[in-house]
Amino acid sequence: EVQVVESGGGLVQPGGSLRLSCVTSGFSFRRYSMSWVRQAPGKGPEWLSKITSDSSSKTYAGSVTGRFTISRDNARNLLYLQMHSLSPDDTAVYYCARVLYGADVIGLDVWGQGTTVTVSS
Amino acid sequence: SYELTQPPSVSASPGQTARITCSGDALPNQYVYWYQQKSGRAPELLIYKDNQGPSGIPERFSVSSSGRTVTLTITGVRAEDEADYYCQSSDSSGAYVFGSGTEVIVL
Repeated sequence: EVQVVESGGGLVQPGGSLRLSCVTSGFSFRRYSMSWVRQAPGKGPEWLSKITSDSSSKTYAGSVTGRFTISRDNARNLLYLQMHSLSPDDTAVYYCARVLYGADVIGLDVWGQGTTVTVSS
Repeated sequence: SYELTQPPSVSASPGQTARITCSGDALPNQYVYWYQQKSGRAPELLIYKDNQGPSGIPERFSVSSSGRTVTLTITGVRAEDEADYYCQSSDSSGAYVFGSGTEVIVL
């Protein structure tokens, strides 16, 4: 079964840091680009970042550029999101998602159940 | 920043047709992906490009485009289609963008 499972969320104080992880299984992780998406309570999804299969290219949303870093470990089928300088506006459910395979495609076809990040003092 | 605009809600009775629009300046040159999100669950990729989608997508879902507007059509709405629907595309820098979302209400 194709699966991605996020972890690492929790309660963090404003200005703090957190690292999210996403373990993948059931597919050849090293062949796929991957993304992080978040969804604040009562809001729509917000795309955060994408990393290509070989980590050669990383793209970020303007709202997290300079604060968040995406990375991956193809040997261990893991995706990461390192987050710094967190504010209450970063409170959301964070999803790991697989990018459709192929050229010029950007759809996200596999999503995890999400991990909740709460930024509060 | 680039925005994709959707109506906040669309309603239809069972068996009727529901149409959800997604408008954006770059859409004539970009493919749009549609997601369905039911309460308490992660979004799921529903349909994209020339009516492509994951296996098992019901045939009542289809997409069409005209100029800067892409439309998701549900022909023969069912109670189980009640959900939030989001369109997604990308801007000129390669950043992905989600639409504002449309709640489909089945009357």
